[in-house]
Amino acid sequence: NAGVTQTPKFQVLKTGQSMTLQCAQDMNHEYMSWYRQDPGMGLRLIHYSVGAGITDQGEVPNGYNVSRSTTEDFPLRLLSAAPSQTSVYFCASSYRTSNEQYFGPGTRLTVT
Amino acid sequence: AQTVTQSQPEMSVQEAETVTLSCTYDTSESDYYLFWYKQPPSRQMILVIRQEAYKQQNATENRFSVNFQKAAKSFSLKISDSQLGDAAMYFCAYRISQGGSEKLVFGKGTKLTVNP
Repeated sequence: NAGVTQTPKFQVLKTGQSMTLQCAQDMNHEYMSWYRQDPGMGLRLIHYSVGAGITDQGEVPNGYNVSRSTTEDFPLRLLSAAPSQTSVYFCASSYRTSNEQYFGPGTRLTVT
Repeated sequence: AQTVTQSQPEMSVQEAETVTLSCTYDTSESDYYLFWYKQPPSRQMILVIRQEAYKQQNATENRFSVNFQKAAKSFSLKISDSQLGDAAMYFCAYRISQGGSEKLVFGKGTKLTVNP
């Protein structure tokens, strides 16, 4: 099992550009989520999904879109990047009834 | 609103000594889970230990143990026989399940330094 994979590991964008952060898991987990980590802020939930075709907003959803067309994939889209979106992004997955989330290695995004 | 508070931004410990990291949380739920995650410089989030709220017995994983005080809403992590590899950011987290969704709420973290 590869677990939770994220691509790319690093990305630099200019303000206004768009991009998609990829996340995939091979553990057949129903639940997937995206977090952002900023210095001194811990991890904050952006969006989450409880299964294919079902997504919902977390604590800080503005500026981000998600979709879940398959169980395995949960991409995060930035439609018009802003400097405030400079952060480290983590994808995580778990079974619905599990009490542990598995995290990907993170993507460091810089918006200039 | 559910919140998690880690009151110690930084802690340090001598190698082989014991250190305790504090965490308090606020919830109106009766059934929930609590976690401690470790984040070394590699950035990978690693689960250290978890506690089910309905269990009175404190969870233990090798050198890591928790002091879970449900009434006080306190969940501290004790690291015994500290090792250099324990140096990392430690995050306390609380998982809630509402309406079919599951959310993890994290504290802001404690940076642990282990001195040789």
